[in-house]
Amino acid sequence: SQKIEQNSEALNIQEGKTATLTCNYTNYSPAYLQWYRQDPGRGPVFLLLIRENEKEKRKERLKVTFDTTLKQSLFHITASQPADSATYLCALDIEDFNKFYFGSGTKLNVKP
Amino acid sequence: EAGVTQFPSHSVIEKGQTVTLRCDPISGHDNLYWYRRVMGKEIKFLLHFVKESKQDESGMPNNRFLAERTGGTYSTLKVQPAELEDSGVYFCASSQARVGEQYFGPGTRLTVT
Repeated sequence: SQKIEQNSEALNIQEGKTATLTCNYTNYSPAYLQWYRQDPGRGPVFLLLIRENEKEKRKERLKVTFDTTLKQSLFHITASQPADSATYLCALDIEDFNKFYFGSGTKLNVKP
Repeated sequence: EAGVTQFPSHSVIEKGQTVTLRCDPISGHDNLYWYRRVMGKEIKFLLHFVKESKQDESGMPNNRFLAERTGGTYSTLKVQPAELEDSGVYFCASSQARVGEQYFGPGTRLTVT
């Protein structure tokens, strides 16, 4: 069966460190992958998009990698801040038509 | 620029009743999506409109769910009759391009008792 896995356990890190979140998938060949941030009581907010033919994408303190051989994406936040504390979701577009399959998200806690 | 808005923010109804959720996308966004998050599960795709046409409704759980998009502007999602398992948070999202970021609304929390 098709599956998208994100670490269900919260990730606790110290302010200033780099946070690395993982998104693994099976039985998919996504056209592209997106990362979203979600705060309690709010809808997801887009962060980054990476296509299947791209290895890495950066935006300010954020970096995403996409390894279609390993079927894995890594999401990095460098110099993390308490304000980065949220749930981070990966979403795959399988059919290249903006129809997303979401992971269940990983909660990040950045402690001051 | 106003973001995606959803109404109501919360709805509590009894099993068997009807509920209609509304979504107003960002002006000019042709693509409108509905998603649902049931307690403890991931966000799941329900359907996709391009303007007023249903592009993909493969995620709609059953025929108790009816979505419409009048004139390619706002959209409604009606659940009739509601069942207990319909409880969850219903998100609407819109996008300008076919590929790219989606802008999500705050969601409607539906509780069926």
